This record gives sequence, structure tokens and C-alpha cells, in this order.
Amino acid sequence: SQQGEEDPQALSIQEGENATMNCSYKTSINNLQWYRQNSGRGLVHLILIRSNEREKHSGRLRVTLDTSKKSSSLLITASRAADTASYFCATDAGTGANNLFFGTGTRLTVIP
Amino acid sequence: DTAVSQTPKYLVTQMGNDKSIKCEQNLGHDTMYWYKQDSKKFLKIMFSYNNKELIINETVPNRFSPKSPDKAHLNLHINSLELGDSAVYFCASSQDMGLGLYEQYFGPGTRLTVT
Repeated sequence: SQQGEEDPQALSIQEGENATMNCSYKTSINNLQWYRQNSGRGLVHLILIRSNEREKHSGRLRVTLDTSKKSSSLLITASRAADTASYFCATDAGTGANNLFFGTGTRLTVIP
Repeated sequence: DTAVSQTPKYLVTQMGNDKSIKCEQNLGHDTMYWYKQDSKKFLKIMFSYNNKELIINETVPNRFSPKSPDKAHLNLHINSLELGDSAVYFCASSQDMGLGLYEQYFGPGTRLTVT
């Protein structure tokens, strides 16, 4: 399966703390993306990191990629209650298409 | 302005029925997709279309038939609905396709319940 796996499956933190989510995948990739899904809503793109990049920042988000370990992490700093959502990593699995194969997701709860 | 819209938002129907879900994007994108999200939140690609042409069919039963009348629309028709088809179906679009390089824009989802 080309599906990725996020770890942990669920994470609960206090507002202001940092949240780290990890993603592992199985095949070689060209790019990896992170998405967020609020309950009952569609997914929203957060950040894309290419296979030749090791780290990328966007506002309070920091993404790392280790292709040798086939893993990525998403760090949300200074979390807010509004960050409560499910977070998914997605890869192209090296297929050459833009089809994305999503991980199982991490459910983040930020307690005010 | 909704970028990717789907109708209906909720669909409750009985086994054996045929139903359709419509999707429209106003982003001018060339590529559109259908995903299925099960009760465990696992999201799986079903189809992708580029410029109205089917690119990928990810081992989906042939009871599912996508149709793209134009670049802005990708509809999903499901024949002979089964209990296992109950899920949330998401439409998405991207500017183009290739190597996972393009972010995808998702619709709000259609929750299908088969009884």
C-alpha cells in the first residue's frame, strides 16, 4: 500500500504548547504535502515540501522531511484552540501523477 | 465564492438505488479528483481526470462511473448502492497534475448513507 501513517493517531495539548505530528511513508516520493481537516469539512492544503528539501516554514508551521527514513514531521508552534483539527500527510508515491496518497491522520485537540 | 462545490451535502438512500453527486470548480483548474473517506477518516483516491480525460481509476468497482462534461465539472454516478458505499465523498481539483507538485483544493464533501 502506498498509504502513509501518521503518529500519533491523537494528540491533546494545552493552548500555547507546540504540537508535533509525524508521518511515515513506504515508497520513494517526489513531494510531500500536509493538509488539515476541520470536523465535517473538506481538506485544506497547508504546505508542500519537495524531496530535495529538508525543512520548510510557513507562519507557525514547520515541516521537515527525511527521505532516508521515509518520514516527515509537522510542527505547529504556539498552538491555538482554532488549530484543533485532523492533520494528514500526502505523498505522490512517485507515480508521476498528481494523485495523492493520504496517511491515516493525526487528530489534534488544543485545549483552551 | 466557493472554489470547489459539491451537491448534495447529505445523501441518504436505500441499497440497490442509483445516485449521483455533482462537483464544480471555479478555479480554472485542469485536474479534478474524487476521494472516498471512510468512517476511520482514511482518505483514498478513486479517480482523477485531466482536461476531461480519465487518468487514474484506483481499483474502484465499475458501479462507480465518473463523468466530466467539461473541465469545471466532475460528477460521480453510483449504481446499485451497497452498504459499504456509505462514506464521505470529496471532490478536489488542482491546477495541473504531475509528481504531487500541485496543491489540491477540496470540496466540502458529500456524506452518503446507504440503508
